[in-house]
Amino acid sequence: DQQVKQNSPSLSVQEGRISILNCDYTNSMFDYFLWYKKYPAEGPTFLISISSIKDKNEDGRFTVFLNKSAKHLSLHIVPSQPGDSAVYFCAALIQGAQKLVFGQGTRLTINP
Amino acid sequence: DSGVTQTPKHLITATGQRVTLRCSPRSGDLSVYWYQQSLDQGLQFLIQYYNGEERAKGNILERFSAQQFPDLHSELNLSSLELGDSALYFCASSVPRGGSGEQFFGPGTRLTVL
Repeated sequence: DQQVKQNSPSLSVQEGRISILNCDYTNSMFDYFLWYKKYPAEGPTFLISISSIKDKNEDGRFTVFLNKSAKHLSLHIVPSQPGDSAVYFCAALIQGAQKLVFGQGTRLTINP
Repeated sequence: DSGVTQTPKHLITATGQRVTLRCSPRSGDLSVYWYQQSLDQGLQFLIQYYNGEERAKGNILERFSAQQFPDLHSELNLSSLELGDSALYFCASSVPRGGSGEQFFGPGTRLTVL
């Protein structure tokens, strides 16, 4: 039962443009949604999170949007930079349960 | 650097063997989580310990076990290894309570079973 899904295995974007990564979920009990970035041979690094009671959270070049009615969230990166090339994981958790449920990841490539 | 350390970085072993993966959480974090990432898959939650006690279990096989010691470091024991156990194993830690659920991940241990 895949509760968190990232349907795009890969995404290629021109440097300086906007990158939009998408994530869908099925469990309406999730309290928080998080985005992690992962480089090869490293562990995932936390990027940004959003509470289920919010619809937007912004941190520098990164903005996460949450659409609860559609059970959909997206991560926007503006402007995209070559260093953003990595695998991005969407994750969700139920407060109290504390375990993160991860999507399969999307490989983002920023082209110069 | 997340502050979470894992050893060893790489491990190559044979089927049927037993290995131990070690994790030290960030200073002050009481919770330790173990995740498995198989080829091209997302991370799958295995087990959580909080201050020495098992708190939550995920899709962890009976051949696998874990513990958290008084100094808060944790070990994941994998026995009767099979080819399909080859994966990246990540440890994460988090603040004691509250927050947005942010977990800090170590660099992982790559296990190869031949």
